[in-house]
Amino acid sequence: DGGITQSPKYLFRKEGQNVTLSCEQNLNHDAMYWYRQDPGQGLRLIYYSQIVNDFQKGDIAEGYSVSREKKESFPLTVTSAQKNPTAFYLCASSLSPYGSPLHFGNGTRLTVT
Amino acid sequence: SQQGEEDPQALSIQEGENATMNCSYKTSINNLQWYRQNSGRGLVHLILIRSNEREKHSGRLRVTLDTSKKSSSLLITASRAADTASYFCATVANSGNTGKLIFGQGTTLQVKP
Repeated sequence: DGGITQSPKYLFRKEGQNVTLSCEQNLNHDAMYWYRQDPGQGLRLIYYSQIVNDFQKGDIAEGYSVSREKKESFPLTVTSAQKNPTAFYLCASSLSPYGSPLHFGNGTRLTVT
Repeated sequence: SQQGEEDPQALSIQEGENATMNCSYKTSINNLQWYRQNSGRGLVHLILIRSNEREKHSGRLRVTLDTSKKSSSLLITASRAADTASYFCATVANSGNTGKLIFGQGTTLQVKP
């Protein structure tokens, strides 16, 4: 079955530690995205990648970093510079980067204490 | 930057009734998409309507788009308990070629059996 896999589902970290969230897709999609969702809120775009080895900042990129070395993978690192990292993180992909529907993973809930 | 705003924020209806959710946006769009999110899960794409379309149907879903008012509505007919979820609109701006989707804050729908 094609889809997007995010792991782990729940992640707990101490303040000051960097943490990397995994996102893998087998849909052969060119574009991949990371969104952050806070309770009762919509999604805010962190980073997106339209093609391998290229990525752009979204609306809330500060304190985050990404890489796109393979078409299938788009890991997100939440660094210690991110002021409020506790949130629900969603990875998505789309066939083309120009307004195609997004396919989402089931998210990673990160709690930093 | 959040483009879409959904109204109402929360909606509670009885099974069998119709549910209508509205979305307003600010800038000229290429297309508008509706997504559903079950609690604690990723989003699922429901329907895409292009800027030159006025109405679209998919099963029990009916979406309308009024570009002059910069608004869209999602109608779910003959609702079921399984329709209980949050519903988000997302817009793709016409300017630039990034194709980024900007999500609204969502409408939480509860369908009582």
